Amino acid sequence: DAGVIQSPRHEVTEMGQEVTLRCKPISGHDYLFWYRQTMMRGLELLIYFNNNVPIDDSGMPEDRFSAKMPNASFSTLKIQPSEPRDSAVYFCASSFIENYGYTFGSGTRLTVV
Amino acid sequence: GQQVMQIPQYQHVQEGEDFTTYCNSSTTLSNIQWYKQRPGGHPVFLIQLVKSGEVKKQKRLTFQFGEAKKNSSLHITATQTTDVGTYFCRGAGSYQLTFGKGTKLSVIP
Repeated sequence: DAGVIQSPRHEVTEMGQEVTLRCKPISGHDYLFWYRQTMMRGLELLIYFNNNVPIDDSGMPEDRFSAKMPNASFSTLKIQPSEPRDSAVYFCASSFIENYGYTFGSGTRLTVV
Repeated sequence: GQQVMQIPQYQHVQEGEDFTTYCNSSTTLSNIQWYKQRPGGHPVFLIQLVKSGEVKKQKRLTFQFGEAKKNSSLHITATQTTDVGTYFCRGAGSYQLTFGKGTKLSVIP
């Protein structure tokens, strides 16, 4: 299995631009999670899906953030417009059971200048 | 969501010394998970503990779950440079229980 695949690995964008992060979970995993990691706040859960349905997006910081999961093998996290404070590493993770260990992707390092 | 508290935040050890990190929750957990993140890498799932008082071992790593299921520890015997990284616990029972801030381990050769 190729694991959880995220793209791009690195993204540098200018403030105000739209950013789209992509994730392909492990086949058969019904749960998909988006996390953001910063030095100050650690790992923060942004949103999670079960069977492609968003279950809780209370961790999404603002309306500028949106996430979709159109099918079981693909999810996107979009930031529009981006701001410098959005700079962080964004991880996607998947799991076949909600309360079991997650498999994380390699992450997307986002820098907004 | 509620967080589990991890201590210490940082730990520097000489290679060959032992290392322990602790994870504490104010609420009872259904299970606890441990992850390791190497510098520049992503969190990797190590183990899950479910039962009260459970102890599991992975080579030089020993994981314990407290009797009250509110705390846990990870102990590494005779650290090696390959143990460098940040160790996170995640209290589970609800997705709202988030990851601890982690313990960053440095090993001095």
